[in-house]
Amino acid sequence: GQQVMQIPQYQHVQEGEDFTTYCNSSTTLSNIQWYKQRPGGHPVFLIQLVKSGEVKKQKRLTFQFGEAKKNSSLHITATQTTDVGTYFCAGPWNSGGSNYKLTFGKGTLLTVNP
Amino acid sequence: DVKVTQSSRYLVKRTGEKVFLECVQDMDHENMFWYRQDPGLGLRLIYFSYDVKMKEKGDIPEGYSVSREKKERFSLILESASTNQTSMYLCASSLAGYGTEAFFGQGTRLTVV
Repeated sequence: GQQVMQIPQYQHVQEGEDFTTYCNSSTTLSNIQWYKQRPGGHPVFLIQLVKSGEVKKQKRLTFQFGEAKKNSSLHITATQTTDVGTYFCAGPWNSGGSNYKLTFGKGTLLTVNP
Repeated sequence: DVKVTQSSRYLVKRTGEKVFLECVQDMDHENMFWYRQDPGLGLRLIYFSYDVKMKEKGDIPEGYSVSREKKERFSLILESASTNQTSMYLCASSLAGYGTEAFFGQGTRLTVV
């Protein structure tokens, strides 16, 4: 089955430093999604990338989708304490026909030292 | 706002009990999912359903079953709870098709003693 690998598993930064998490798939993805889970909360959708080489920005967050559509990254510029949480990438896996299940990476836990 | 509601936030059950976790969504979504979340293991898919009475196994279905009798409701059943099923369980729903945004419930922290 499809595997979505994510690194690093943990990242601790000083406030103001940059942060990047990487996601790699064993198969080509039709699209990739990113989610954020705050401590004690549930995952919340951030963005979806669809096109090869696509780059999208949300304020200090930059999301990229690789040319081969098998890898993606999330980069946060000048982290703030509000960025603390676990960031997950997720890709749809076709289980047959038109049915897709969403497979998540293990996530990267970001902690920020104020 | 899309709402995915799980019946319990915290649950404590005894080994061997049959446990029902309920999930209801109010946005007429076709897809519904059950994940379990454990430290260091991320979100692992247990089962998903793409239509009423339709279900498919995820990556870790052993020891679990599901029921979807109505479109808005997706139940996860632990036939005989064991201590290794102590975990956070998350329900999610999404529209049909590939790569549609998933909306999660608040989670149920299940402890099996």
